Amino acid sequence: KQEVTQIPAALSVPEGENLVLNCSFTDSAIYNLQWFRQDPGKGLTSLLLIQSSQREQTSGRLNASLDKSSGRSTLYIAASQPGDSATYLCAFASNTGNQFYFGTGTSLTVIP
Amino acid sequence: GAVVSQHPSWVICKSGTSVKIECRSLDFQATTMFWYRQFPKQSLMLMATSNEGSKATYEQGVEKDKFLINHASLTLSTLTVTSAHPEDSSFYICSARGDRGPGNTIYFGEGSWLTVV
Repeated sequence: KQEVTQIPAALSVPEGENLVLNCSFTDSAIYNLQWFRQDPGKGLTSLLLIQSSQREQTSGRLNASLDKSSGRSTLYIAASQPGDSATYLCAFASNTGNQFYFGTGTSLTVIP
Repeated sequence: GAVVSQHPSWVICKSGTSVKIECRSLDFQATTMFWYRQFPKQSLMLMATSNEGSKATYEQGVEKDKFLINHASLTLSTLTVTSAHPEDSSFYICSARGDRGPGNTIYFGEGSWLTVV
């Protein structure tokens, strides 16, 4: 069974700082991975999707990478803003593409 | 892009009543839909997988008589929490596998917050 770990559980940074969120997984037989954002009391917003054959995806100030050999994915946020404050979840799809395994998230606070 | 819509986003119900959550694929046909729930400070966990026109497959530990899942059409799946209790209060989210996107990508709804009082 896939196990997904996100470190750190919580992170607080001053505005403007670049930061990296980490996600590790135990089973390299993945179909794809997604990074999500979850605001308090609200739903999930998909940020980036990386297929198993890809190594990274970029969207604006966000860059996500995938290294299956080391069992890691990172989410890089450039020039952080207070509006980036949220919980960030990574999720890996099993090799059938059906079931997703979620991490417990990293709670990010960007201080103005 | 593809959109999966959940309704309601928030619902409060009294203990003992039933509540229904809808998951719709708005611009694609969803042959398979998935339901997850998230308890506080825990990760999202798969509850069940439903294929259009057939019975849902439930994960171990999920009561099928309590969490009724219906996938009657290619664009709609419903989750009904029957005889809800406060411990059922959680964040429920659906996802749908469509007929578009690389490798038939799975798209997530925005989720529904259930509070049972």
